[in-house]
Amino acid sequence: NAGVTQTPKFQVLKTGQSMTLQCAQDMNHNSMYWYRQDPGMGLRLIYYSASEGTTDKGEVPNGYNVSRLNKREFSLRLESAAPSQTSVYFCASTPEMRGNEQFFGPGTRLTVL
Amino acid sequence: GQQVMQIPQYQHVQEGEDFTTYCNSSTTLSNIQWYKQRPGGHPVFLIQLVKSGEVKKQKRLTFQFGEAKKNSSLHITATQTTDVGTYFCAGPDNDMRFGAGTRLTVKP
Repeated sequence: NAGVTQTPKFQVLKTGQSMTLQCAQDMNHNSMYWYRQDPGMGLRLIYYSASEGTTDKGEVPNGYNVSRLNKREFSLRLESAAPSQTSVYFCASTPEMRGNEQFFGPGTRLTVL
Repeated sequence: GQQVMQIPQYQHVQEGEDFTTYCNSSTTLSNIQWYKQRPGGHPVFLIQLVKSGEVKKQKRLTFQFGEAKKNSSLHITATQTTDVGTYFCAGPDNDMRFGAGTRLTVKP
């Protein structure tokens, strides 16, 4: 099993460009998450999907959209990138939202110039 | 909104010394999780605490959940160079908030 995979690993964008970060898990998990990690600030939840067909905002959703394409895949889209979105983005999954550990992907390092 | 605060931000120890990181929440937590992130890596789950006053051990690591379920700690006895990384607390799982983390460095 590959666990949680993310593409791309690195990306550089110019302000105003758009892009989609891809995430997939092969563990048959119901719940998936997108976080961003900035120096000294831990991880902050952007969006989550408790189950296939549902998505909800987390702590810092502004400037992002998500799609739960199917049970395996959960994508994060930046419609018009801004320098403030320079960060490391992690996708995670868990069997159910409650009472379970989260499994993280390797992360995408995004720089917006 | 809910906040999870973690101290200290950094800790540098000599190999063999003990290490402790503390986590405090502004609200009562239904559960709390601890994660470790090695430099350049991704967070990896260590443990979950659910019960008031709960204490769990994993080899040299001891995790505690406060009686009021608003604070938690992670203690490492006799640190080793393999303990290097950032330790995060997080919770609760239905509204996940991560602490800022404590970055541990160990001098051989």
